[in-house]
Amino acid sequence: QKEVEQNSGPLSVPEGAIASLNCTYSDRVSQSFFWYRQYSGKSPELIMSIYSNGDKEDGRFTAQLNKASQYVSLLIRDSQPSDSATYLCAVNDNYGQNFVFGPGTRLSVLP
Amino acid sequence: ETGVTQSPTHLIKTRGQQVTLRCSSQSGHNTVSWYQQALGQGPQFIFQYYREEENGRGNFPPRFSGLQFPNYSSELNVNALELDDSALYLCASSWEGRANEKLFFGSGTQLSVL
Repeated sequence: QKEVEQNSGPLSVPEGAIASLNCTYSDRVSQSFFWYRQYSGKSPELIMSIYSNGDKEDGRFTAQLNKASQYVSLLIRDSQPSDSATYLCAVNDNYGQNFVFGPGTRLSVLP
Repeated sequence: ETGVTQSPTHLIKTRGQQVTLRCSSQSGHNTVSWYQQALGQGPQFIFQYYREEENGRGNFPPRFSGLQFPNYSSELNVNALELDDSALYLCASSWEGRANEKLFFGSGTQLSVL
């Protein structure tokens, strides 16, 4: 049974701070990793994808992947109240799009 | 807006009934996946359709079934509804259904089973 684990939160950070969201996965053959943001009552939207070990930066967001530790993280710099949402980690192998999602971490950015 | 549309947005059914949910994929996409998201949980993969054929299935019973049409729109059918089927049902489309492609989600159908 493939599993993806996240701290459910809520994670509260002050405006302007760095928010750090973490995710671990159980299936070593996982090759594709995604972070989705989901506002309350809305559908998930993709923020970042990462496929290789190391860091990948896109604006205020940085995804970090460590396949040896089966760990992926998302850093949000200069957090804004509009970043308040649930962040879902999704993991996939190389065989189609049976994404396994974690339960999500609820982030609250306080003004 | 992703270009993926789902209908209806909300639905109330009673236990034992049957329901059909619909999804129109984004233009140019030939792959549709369905996910179930219970309150406070991440989405769970139900199944995927690629060019009208089922191309993978998650851990859901046979009373969850689907179709994909030549225009790549899709239906999710659930028979013999149970209370635990109450959830947000998400449809997602992608270009070719490859593992490293992003999913474009629709806004979902909120199903309540009483």
